Amino acid sequence: EAGVAQSPRYKIIEKRQSVAFWCNPISGHATLYWYQQILGQGPKLLIQFQNNGVVDDSQLPKDRFSAERLKGVDSTLKIQPAKLEDSAVYLCASSASYEQYFGPGTRLTVT
Amino acid sequence: GENVEQHPSTLSVQEGDSAVIKCTYSDSASNYFPWYKQELGKGPQLIIDIRSNVGEKKDQRIAVTLNKTAKHFSLHITETQPEDSAVYFCAASGASGTYKYIFGTGTRLKVLA
Repeated sequence: EAGVAQSPRYKIIEKRQSVAFWCNPISGHATLYWYQQILGQGPKLLIQFQNNGVVDDSQLPKDRFSAERLKGVDSTLKIQPAKLEDSAVYLCASSASYEQYFGPGTRLTVT
Repeated sequence: GENVEQHPSTLSVQEGDSAVIKCTYSDSASNYFPWYKQELGKGPQLIIDIRSNVGEKKDQRIAVTLNKTAKHFSLHITETQPEDSAVYFCAASGASGTYKYIFGTGTRLKVLA
């Protein structure tokens, strides 16, 4: 069974630029999550989708972050404009029930 | 708000010894407790989990115990090997049915050969 796919794996941008991350979940998983993991910390949930609807986006900085999950499968997370404090690993996970399976993440560096 | 505390933040053990990592959660509605292993440059990997109706679960060298009254759960690794070296995260589910996790702050485990 293929795991969660993410791209790109690494991205370096300057502050105030925009960036987008892509995630393809495990086939059949209805729930998709985006997490932000700052160095030395545990993952923090940004947004949770159930199929193509948002379940929880309470911790998503909506003035600069946006996410969508078209057709209930792939998802994109966008940051515009980026700030220095957005430097982190962005993890995508998917689940069919309680067990969440993570992708390899995208390491974002904002200079 | 919901919170998960994890201790210790770093742990060094000799190869073959046991390692124990402890977590405490605040939300009494939490009913699912997974543990993840994260190696450098990789995403977290689910290694074991436990539900609130079970007190202990074991999978080869790894075991997890849960004390719902005290809101504590622990990861036990026996006969540690160098390849067990990684960062370990505990998590607790949020309100029933949401599948949302709150993660602990992580424990960096070093197994010394």
